[in-house]
Amino acid sequence: AQSVSQHNHHVILSEAASLELGCNYSYGGTVNLFWYVQYPGQHLQLLLKYFSGDPLVKGIKGFEAEFIKSKFSFNLRKPSVQWSDTAEYFCAVNAMDSNYQLIWGAGTKLIIKP
Amino acid sequence: EAGVAQSPRYKIIEKRQSVAFWCNPISGHATLYWYQQILGQGPKLLIQFQNNGVVDDSQLPKDRFSAERLKGVDSTLKIQPAKLEDSAVYLCASSLWGYEQYFGPGTRLTVT
Repeated sequence: AQSVSQHNHHVILSEAASLELGCNYSYGGTVNLFWYVQYPGQHLQLLLKYFSGDPLVKGIKGFEAEFIKSKFSFNLRKPSVQWSDTAEYFCAVNAMDSNYQLIWGAGTKLIIKP
Repeated sequence: EAGVAQSPRYKIIEKRQSVAFWCNPISGHATLYWYQQILGQGPKLLIQFQNNGVVDDSQLPKDRFSAERLKGVDSTLKIQPAKLEDSAVYLCASSLWGYEQYFGPGTRLTVT
């Protein structure tokens, strides 16, 4: 069965620190990959996505993620975080042969100290 | 472009009562999803529609939950009767088939 693993459930950083959130998935076929973000009190928003092409994708608010197929990974990065990046981050994957249903990671709660 | 609309935003009911949630997807999105999200967890898919047909409802507790999308646009999710463990946020999302999902603000349900 498909699954998504996010390595850290809670991350605390200071402003201007660099961020990397890990995401690994288990699935042998072709997948689409996503990072969603949920700011406090707000709904889930798409941060970035990978369907095909350049494995380094850029999203909103300075975030980027790199798809490494050999490692089944799609890690999220940001070179310098801001207090406003405090949120919960979810990695998710889908595939055509599972009706494009999203398989979700458990989420990572990111707290940025001002 | 208008996003996914949901109502109500909050609902408090007693156990064994019934409740209904409404969702209006983004115009043109044929695929609609209902999720249950418990605090600290990722969303759990309850049901997926393609137009007005059900693609997957394998995780919908059919003894108490029901959902419909009669005209292939709006959808309602009902719980009858509610249990304490149904306290959660109920999310609606829509998409074009195969593409990213867009989420509504959710309905926070508290069952007392």
